[in-house]
Amino acid sequence: EVRLVESGGGLVKPGGSLRLSCAASGFTFSSYTMNWVRQAPGKGLEWVSSISTSSSYIYYADSVKGRFTISRDNAKNSLFLQMNSLRAEDTAVYYCAKDYSSSSVYWFDSWGQGSLVIVSS
Amino acid sequence: DIQMTQSPSSLSASVGDRVTITCRASQSIDSYVNWYQQKPGKAPKLLIYTASSLQSGVPSRFSGSGSGTDFTLTISSLQPEDFATYYCQQTYNMPCSFGPGTKLEIK
Repeated sequence: EVRLVESGGGLVKPGGSLRLSCAASGFTFSSYTMNWVRQAPGKGLEWVSSISTSSSYIYYADSVKGRFTISRDNAKNSLFLQMNSLRAEDTAVYYCAKDYSSSSVYWFDSWGQGSLVIVSS
Repeated sequence: DIQMTQSPSSLSASVGDRVTITCRASQSIDSYVNWYQQKPGKAPKLLIYTASSLQSGVPSRFSGSGSGTDFTLTISSLQPEDFATYYCQQTYNMPCSFGPGTKLEIK
């Protein structure tokens, strides 16, 4: 069974940093593109970032480009999102999602339970 | 960037009803549309991929169709557990993007 468990969320002040982690199990982590998707309170889904299997291809939403960094450790079956220069509008539940594909972004067939990030003074 | 719109934004229906949700892309995206269901406080769940392929384990009352710019998600006979918010997503090119969602409520 595929399992994705996010951690690292919490309360942070504007301008601060936070690092989210996603621990994966139940599948060959190194063989799939991984993604981050967020959802602000009461709002819809917003794609944030994607990373291919060997980190050769990395994509970011314009809203986070230059502030967020996605990475992965295939040896530890882990996905990360380093978030710097956080703003109030980054407040959201952040989901880790497994892609169907190994080389591109196709569809997200498994999701974690989410990690809440609150940016507030 | 490709924009996705959905209609209606909300919908009231009864158990047993047939329901159709529409998703439109700002440009042609072939069949690169996926549909997700999300219940309050839960993670999204994949229902349909590449416009019309049913994800394993998803009931056959869910179906998808369309290509180019116009897509539909149909629930043939609503069940109590289907009341949720539904999102379309395009992965034709990056950045991939979601529609704003359609909230399906009990009448």
